Amino acid sequence: GDSVTQMEGPVTLSEEAFLTINCTYTATGYPSLFWYVQYPGEGLQLLLKATKADDKGSNKGFEATYRKETTSFHLEKGSVQVSDSAVYFCALSDWNDYKLSFGAGTTVTVRA
Amino acid sequence: DGGITQSPKYLFRKEGQNVTLSCEQNLNHDAMYWYRQDPGQGLRLIYYSQIVNDFQKGDIAEGYSVSREKKESFPLTVTSAQKNPTAFYLCASSGGGQSPLHFGNGTRLTVT
Repeated sequence: GDSVTQMEGPVTLSEEAFLTINCTYTATGYPSLFWYVQYPGEGLQLLLKATKADDKGSNKGFEATYRKETTSFHLEKGSVQVSDSAVYFCALSDWNDYKLSFGAGTTVTVRA
Repeated sequence: DGGITQSPKYLFRKEGQNVTLSCEQNLNHDAMYWYRQDPGQGLRLIYYSQIVNDFQKGDIAEGYSVSREKKESFPLTVTSAQKNPTAFYLCASSGGGQSPLHFGNGTRLTVT
């Protein structure tokens, strides 16, 4: 079945550091890929998405590129802020399925 | 503003009691979902519904029940048969296919 594996945390960074969270996937069809963010005590919010190979999703300074050859969708941000402290989830939705498969989540803490 | 409302935010119950979690959306979405979130385990799908009066079991449906009598509403009942009901429960909806999910802010259920 479809699955998502993302880098384990927790990750602790200083403000203005570079952030990378690795995400790889297994899918039988042509999935869409997503990154969601969860701030403390809240639900998940869509951060960015990509629907086909080589697409780059971007939002709020975060970027991720859909790499079919490496089955990856790594999340990056060049300069993090304290407000980026959250849990980040990688997810995929296969072409014939309404359901999302989520990774385990990566907790990111940014210190001033 | 359109969105998903989950209530209550915190819920406390004694062991052996059934409890129903509310989820309402005004996004006119056909598909709705219930996920359970436990620390370090990401999100696991409990039930989902693609259309009114129809729903399917997800990966961890045992001890839970749902109904979908109206497009806007998808309540989840946690029954006394659920062995470890204490968790954070998230409701979501989508326009179907590979559309992103929109999440509510969750209900934290504590059973003692």
